[in-house]
Amino acid sequence: EAQVTQNPRYLITVTGKKLTVTCSQNMNHEYMSWYRQDPGLGLRQIYYSMNVEVTDKGDVPEGYKVSRKEKRNFPLILESPSPNQTSLYFCASTWGGAISGEQFFGPGTRLTVL
Amino acid sequence: AQSVTQPDIHITVSEGASLELRCNYSYGATPYLFWYVQSPGQGLQLLLKYFSGDTLVQGIKGFEAEFKRSQSSFNLRKPSVHWSDAAEYFCAVENQGGKLIFGQGTELSVKP
Repeated sequence: EAQVTQNPRYLITVTGKKLTVTCSQNMNHEYMSWYRQDPGLGLRQIYYSMNVEVTDKGDVPEGYKVSRKEKRNFPLILESPSPNQTSLYFCASTWGGAISGEQFFGPGTRLTVL
Repeated sequence: AQSVTQPDIHITVSEGASLELRCNYSYGATPYLFWYVQSPGQGLQLLLKYFSGDTLVQGIKGFEAEFKRSQSSFNLRKPSVHWSDAAEYFCAVENQGGKLIFGQGTELSVKP
């Protein structure tokens, strides 16, 4: 089954404790991205990657890092989480390097930073 | 700057009634437009998309949307709403770099 998986689905952590949210897709997609969803703000892009070893900042990259060492994986790293990073996070992938068709979304990771 | 506006934060309709969700965009070039639906606790699912051609596009679950360049709009419609349509709906435009720019979302409630 074609899918985007994220782990963990739920995470409660404390300020300053490094964490990683994993994202994996099995569709051989080139393009992957991370979004955060906050009430009243819709989804905002954090980082995206157009292919292996190619990453770029989205609209709200501060406080986040990403890496793309393999095509299927695109982990999101919070080196020193803060309470304003409490949010619902979605990973997405699509086949196109640029203009594309459907973006497939993972189920989301709800992060709470205390 | 590119942006998407969904003027209605929350809409309630009766089951069986028609539905229209509004979406306005600001984008310099020919837009690539999408509607996604998010059911409670779920990820986003694509309802339909517009790239070019016929300005009335059909999607899944009986939804359709009409692209109106003169009004910079891409409104979502359904002739008869079902209780299972209760969800949050997001309009989005894709820029040249492949980034999706989302609207704030419209939450749909369906009355029995």
